[in-house]
Amino acid sequence: GAVVSQHPSWVICKSGTSVKIECRSLDFQATTMFWYRQFPKQSLMLMATSNEGSKATYEQGVEKDKFLINHASLTLSTLTVTSAHPEDSSFYICSARADQGFNSPLHFGNGTRLTVT
Amino acid sequence: GENVEQHPSTLSVQEGDSAVIKCTYSDSASNYFPWYKQELGKRPQLIIDIRSNVGEKKDQRIAVTLNKTAKHFSLHITETQPEDSAVYFCAASRGYSTLTFGKGTMLLVSP
Repeated sequence: GAVVSQHPSWVICKSGTSVKIECRSLDFQATTMFWYRQFPKQSLMLMATSNEGSKATYEQGVEKDKFLINHASLTLSTLTVTSAHPEDSSFYICSARADQGFNSPLHFGNGTRLTVT
Repeated sequence: GENVEQHPSTLSVQEGDSAVIKCTYSDSASNYFPWYKQELGKRPQLIIDIRSNVGEKKDQRIAVTLNKTAKHFSLHITETQPEDSAVYFCAASRGYSTLTFGKGTMLLVSP
């Protein structure tokens, strides 16, 4: 089945530093990947759509300069949280469609729990 | 844009009972409705999905029904087991767009 790998699974960083999260599609190519954020006991909120070879599309309210997205290849998208602050602490999950066709399921990475101290 | 409402937020059942989770959506053009199960600290896993050309789909103990006219769809779990305990999310999308998720239902199955 389609596998999406996300790394690291957890990270603790100091306020003001930057953190990079990688999302890889292991057995398929993904022209589009999606980045979600999830607070404890809450739903998945779409942050941005990552497009291979072009700029990401950000959802309203998400700071593009804060959450840098790079989708340099068909199997890798990265999310960099710049100048992280405690309020950025959250669970970040990427996802992609193995089948780029119409109405195909999303497959999720295992998530990254970010804690900013 | 799409808005997905999900109820209840918490559902407690006894092992062996049935559980039903309901969702409504706002965009009549939405035509794909998956359900995901998320265990604590883990990734959401697709458990079943339905497309708008179908009214019902079943997979062993899990079934999903869709009422396009009323714009609602439901997840039915029969003969619940403790390992069914998790958070369940419904979602909706159309075409190539991403998913809009409901707020989730925490299902607790007591032995």
